[in-house]
Amino acid sequence: TQLLEQSPQFLSIQEGENLTVYCNSSSVFSSLQWYRQEPGEGPVLLVTVVTGGEVKKLKRLTFQFGDARKDSSLHITAAQPGDTGLYLCAGSILTGGGNKLTFGTGTQLKVEL
Amino acid sequence: KAGVTQTPRYLIKTRGQQVTLSCSPISGHRSVSWYQQTPGQGLQFLFEYFSETQRNKGNFPGRFSGRQFSNSRSEMNVSTLELGDSALYLCASSLWDRDTEAFFGQGTRLTVV
Repeated sequence: TQLLEQSPQFLSIQEGENLTVYCNSSSVFSSLQWYRQEPGEGPVLLVTVVTGGEVKKLKRLTFQFGDARKDSSLHITAAQPGDTGLYLCAGSILTGGGNKLTFGTGTQLKVEL
Repeated sequence: KAGVTQTPRYLIKTRGQQVTLSCSPISGHRSVSWYQQTPGQGLQFLFEYFSETQRNKGNFPGRFSGRQFSNSRSEMNVSTLELGDSALYLCASSLWDRDTEAFFGQGTRLTVV
């Protein structure tokens, strides 16, 4: 059972366009992270959001955590070819035994000149 | 500060063999988690170790096992390899077991033939 659904699955856009990636779940998470992964490499942490309704900005990237802490979005303004990669959201559930990250299905973004 | 180091980067094994993968976490990090990444299933949680104890386990068969040493380094072992075990195996380290931010290594690309 996939707890985190991302949409769209694939996105191909031109440089300068804006885009939004969505991460949805029926579960409540204690926090949510966004990662970007390039081919042959491990995911790189972009941001962590913890509070429902929280908005964080990282240069041209804006991240939002849903009020109910079940969903999140990533908005990129004026996309550049360097933004190309696989974007993954990951929800954290703190169990009695520790932390467990559940990853989303991923959004493959390609930004062309 | 060195990042997460995984060895080897690439590995080719034959069905039925076993394999051991190694992960050295960021200095000072005590929690290590392992993930399997495949095109069809995405990133799936294998297990998490903290202070040499397995704290969480994903839904993988008993052929997948791991351990953590006193210096926080971790190994995972897969016995009786199957073709479907071909994947990118990722290790992530965190400061402690309830830390939601995970930092990933570059991964070990395992191919089973």
